[in-house]
Amino acid sequence: AQSVTQPDIHITVSEGASLELRCNYSYGATPYLFWYVQSPGQGLQLLLKYFSGDTLVQGIKGFEAEFKRSQSSFNLRKPSVHWSDAAEYFCAVVLFGANDYKLSFGAGTTVTVRA
Amino acid sequence: EPEVTQTPSHQVTQMGQEVILRCVPISNHLYFYWYRQILGQKVEFLVSFYNNEISEKSEIFDDQFSVERPDGSNFTLKIRSTKLEDSAMYFCASSEMGGSNQPQHFGDGTRLSIL
Repeated sequence: AQSVTQPDIHITVSEGASLELRCNYSYGATPYLFWYVQSPGQGLQLLLKYFSGDTLVQGIKGFEAEFKRSQSSFNLRKPSVHWSDAAEYFCAVVLFGANDYKLSFGAGTTVTVRA
Repeated sequence: EPEVTQTPSHQVTQMGQEVILRCVPISNHLYFYWYRQILGQKVEFLVSFYNNEISEKSEIFDDQFSVERPDGSNFTLKIRSTKLEDSAMYFCASSEMGGSNQPQHFGDGTRLSIL
């Protein structure tokens, strides 16, 4: 079945350091992929999305992600993290229905930022 | 920026009682969704709704669950007779159109606690 896997449950990073969150997908065709962020007590906010075209996607808050078909990956990166980036991050793949689509989420990666 | 709003933010209910979770999608959106996240687990799709009917539902969405758009602005999830295992965070989402290039916008969620 189509799905995404986030291998890292928890990552701790120092403020100002770079961050990379891994996402691997299992999908027969070209997947449509999203990254969402969930800050404590908040809902899911869309960071970026990939549908087709340029494999390097820019998102909000200084995040980017790169789609690599050869590795079945869609990793999220940020060059320099801020304390406010501490949150849980979810990768999701689109599963198409007859009229619309649903999202299948990964288990999430919790990011802790230390001073 | 328009938001999806959910009320209440936290609902505590006795097992066996009925509960209604409320959502106000973004005003020009036509597709509506409910997801849930049991503590420590991934976000799971429950149901999608378009044109006043269910488009798709997951195995979780059994006869105890129902959705309704009672007026032009609200979208509700009803659990008829709650069980302990219904305790979770419930997220409402909406999108302008059903195409996958239209991202789903999520509310902040309702935390449902069943006693």
